Amino acid sequence: DGGITQSPKYLFRKEGQNVTLSCEQNLNHDAMYWYRQDPGQGLRLIYYSQIVNDFQKGDIAEGYSVSREKKESFPLTVTSAQKNPTAFYLCASSIAETQYFGPGTRLLVL
Amino acid sequence: GENVEQHPSTLSVQEGDSAVIKCTYSDSASNYFPWYKQELGKRPQLIIDIRSNVGEKKDQRIAVTLNKTAKHFSLHITETQPEDSAVYFCAASLPNFGNEKLTFGTGTRLTIIP
Repeated sequence: DGGITQSPKYLFRKEGQNVTLSCEQNLNHDAMYWYRQDPGQGLRLIYYSQIVNDFQKGDIAEGYSVSREKKESFPLTVTSAQKNPTAFYLCASSIAETQYFGPGTRLLVL
Repeated sequence: GENVEQHPSTLSVQEGDSAVIKCTYSDSASNYFPWYKQELGKRPQLIIDIRSNVGEKKDQRIAVTLNKTAKHFSLHITETQPEDSAVYFCAASLPNFGNEKLTFGTGTRLTIIP
């Protein structure tokens, strides 16, 4: 899982602002995922993508958007419509069903 | 969709004793069950996984058992050590022709008491 990177490590968002979280992998994995983790809770799926130029909504997609223009990259945009964005965001990629996670981005609201 | 329940939410164990964490799943078609360990502020790390055609799998001090009839699977850690302290997540995956996704349990915070 060292081949999955996320940036930045910490991100501060002002009210009404869109922010984009980066996720890159060099593992040649086809599938990539975005999860949100709130304190003391499990991982909830936001969006996932099995192939380039295609992605599906997960369980909590409202207020988020993604793109998958390259196999290696799956950026997540937290839009102003997401009213409670403070959380730890984890990106993952997978070979078959086995998922490997990036180091995460902690998003805080100013 | 799949639903995964995990118990207990917190577990304290004396160092050297064993720890057991249990998960149940709702869809009998689920066929892949990984366990992840997450230390504070870090990424979840895969520690062991099992597929539905296997009843038990071991890796040193860690083992996972699967009961397909009862739709539950468990993580067993023997001879616990302080570095085992972390949050552990179970997950389940339904087969979906390359479009699989994991459903996670809510996690168990394991504390090893020296």
